[in-house]
Amino acid sequence: SAVISQKPSRDICQRGTSLTIQCQVDSQVTMMFWYRQQPGQSLTLIATANQGSEATYESGFVIDKFPISRPNLTFSTLTVSNMSPEDSSIYLCSVEGTNYGYTFGSGTRLTVV
Amino acid sequence: GDSVTQMEGPVTLSEEAFLTINCTYTATGYPSLFWYVQYPGEGLQLLLKATKADDKGSNKGFEATYRKETTSFHLEKGSVQVSDSAVYFCALSERLTGANNLFFGTGTRLTVIP
Repeated sequence: SAVISQKPSRDICQRGTSLTIQCQVDSQVTMMFWYRQQPGQSLTLIATANQGSEATYESGFVIDKFPISRPNLTFSTLTVSNMSPEDSSIYLCSVEGTNYGYTFGSGTRLTVV
Repeated sequence: GDSVTQMEGPVTLSEEAFLTINCTYTATGYPSLFWYVQYPGEGLQLLLKATKADDKGSNKGFEATYRKETTSFHLEKGSVQVSDSAVYFCALSERLTGANNLFFGTGTRLTVIP
């Protein structure tokens, strides 16, 4: 299955600033997924990123707040913009592997102060 | 729409006790079902999966059987260890509708005490 390198692993940011999270996959994949895991909660899909087209956002998430880039088939970034304490979460990227399995990055633990 | 309903936690067990974490699902097509585990401070790891009815997924002593008639995928382990302490997520992937992403349950935190 694919191996995902996600960074940064954690960060503490000031409110009003932006943070860009990167995911690098060791193989070419069509779709990459970005999730948010708020403290003590399950994962919520933010958006699906296809190479060469705009990301598809889930209800409650907008491009201005969470812009995504997908410049090629092995890389994607998620930016959390104009951060507030409510954005403090773990952010994870994911790809679909073979045999219906999904692989996740190790996550970015974001704290906004 | 698709959804996963998972047993609420937290669950606390003594070492060597039997574990069951219930999971039921709602799907319009023929989903694949998964259990993911998140150990403290780590990302999600796939624990086991089943892709069709009556399939049994198993890994590290954990098992779950895909029951279409009861739309369930309960996680079981005969004898838990302290190292099994983690949060467990049930999930489904609905493929026939073209959706390739996962729907997660709320997670069940398991604590195993010596």
